[in-house]
Amino acid sequence: QQQVKQSPQSLIVQKGGIPIINCAYENTAFDYFPWYQQFPGKGPALLIAIRPDVSEKKEGRFTISFNKSAKQFSLHIMDSQPGDSATYFCAARGSTLGRLYFGRGTQLTVWP
Amino acid sequence: DADVTQTPRNRITKTGKRIMLECSQTKGHDRMYWYRQDPGLGLRLIYYSFDVKDINKGEISDGYSVSRQAQAKFSLSLESAIPNQTALYFCATSETSGSRDTQYFGPGTRLTVL
Repeated sequence: QQQVKQSPQSLIVQKGGIPIINCAYENTAFDYFPWYQQFPGKGPALLIAIRPDVSEKKEGRFTISFNKSAKQFSLHIMDSQPGDSATYFCAARGSTLGRLYFGRGTQLTVWP
Repeated sequence: DADVTQTPRNRITKTGKRIMLECSQTKGHDRMYWYRQDPGLGLRLIYYSFDVKDINKGEISDGYSVSRQAQAKFSLSLESAIPNQTALYFCATSETSGSRDTQYFGPGTRLTVL
């Protein structure tokens, strides 16, 4: 059973566009929601994270929007650049054991 | 030097062979993880260890075993490799759970089982 559902699987935007990646979860015990960014040939790296007691977090051009009642959260990339082309994973942490549950990933391509 | 290292980086083997993937970290973290990445399936947890004496199965542990030799070392073994274990394998570490819980990933091992 997939704990975190992520969409879309792939996304293509023009430079300057605002790609949005969505994730949904069911387990209300999740207490921490990070996003990881992975470039080809590299391991994933933490990009930005949010806790469920806030509705939005912004770091540079990256913003997480969090809707606790809908059990959904999303990543927005403002003024996207070709260098943002990567695979993005959302995740949720189970508060009981502290492990992360990852979505299946979104492959983002930003055209110049 | 990298904080989380994995060896080998690439490995091609045959069905039925025993394979060991090794992970070392210099971050001083207690928690270590092994993930498998397949296209379209994301990162799936194989095993995780919250300290040297604590090892737990993840969602896809069948066909795999692990050994936590020390705080800094966590090895993944495939006792008898099969073709559907062909994948990209990542080791990761994290600090004891708190308000911020970052996992640090190694560079990955690409395993091909013929």
